[in-house]
Amino acid sequence: AQKVTQAQTEISVVEKEDVTLDCVYETRDTTYYLFWYKQPPSGELVFLIRRNSFDEQNEISGRYSWNFQKSTSSFNFTITASQVVDSAVYFCALSEGPDSGYSTLTFGKGTMLLVSP
Amino acid sequence: DVKVTQSSRYLVKRTGEKVFLECVQDMDHENMFWYRQDPGLGLRLIYFSYDVKMKEKGDIPEGYSVSREKKERFSLILESASTNQTSMYLCASSYGFSYEQYFGPGTRLTVT
Repeated sequence: AQKVTQAQTEISVVEKEDVTLDCVYETRDTTYYLFWYKQPPSGELVFLIRRNSFDEQNEISGRYSWNFQKSTSSFNFTITASQVVDSAVYFCALSEGPDSGYSTLTFGKGTMLLVSP
Repeated sequence: DVKVTQSSRYLVKRTGEKVFLECVQDMDHENMFWYRQDPGLGLRLIYFSYDVKMKEKGDIPEGYSVSREKKERFSLILESASTNQTSMYLCASSYGFSYEQYFGPGTRLTVT
């Protein structure tokens, strides 16, 4: 069975600090997909990134970057120079590959990030 | 832009009422999902649908049913609402199971 662990329940930083959100996953499949979502106080989950298990290249998008390491089953998310607007709950999620049939998303419990001015 | 809309942002119902939550997506997605989100429990999948009239149970289907008569619309039904169904309900859709899901704004349901 697949599992996603976000050990950090809540993180508080001051604006302009860098912050890393950890995500550790478990799966028996060799083909799988990892995702990050942001849920701001308004409540709507916003898709941030999708990464497949065969692509271990790190990804950078503006102040956001993602580090995927199969050796440690981790898919960590770093926000550089955090801003107050980054305050949200962030979810990591896992979906197994097409060979697993109706593979739905398994979400971690989320990490609440509070960025203060 | 992908758009997933839900019929209500806030809903208050009485115990025993039949409740309909509607979700519409405009991206011709095959899959649609209903989740509930509760503090400390995260997101839990209630039901999903991979085609019109097709549905599968998720992790917590008890007390719920669903209907998908048209591709763009997926309804969640609480046959007889109970107070333990007070929650935030989130609808999502995706192109396929390995693809990202796009979420609606959520419906905060209170059952009194």
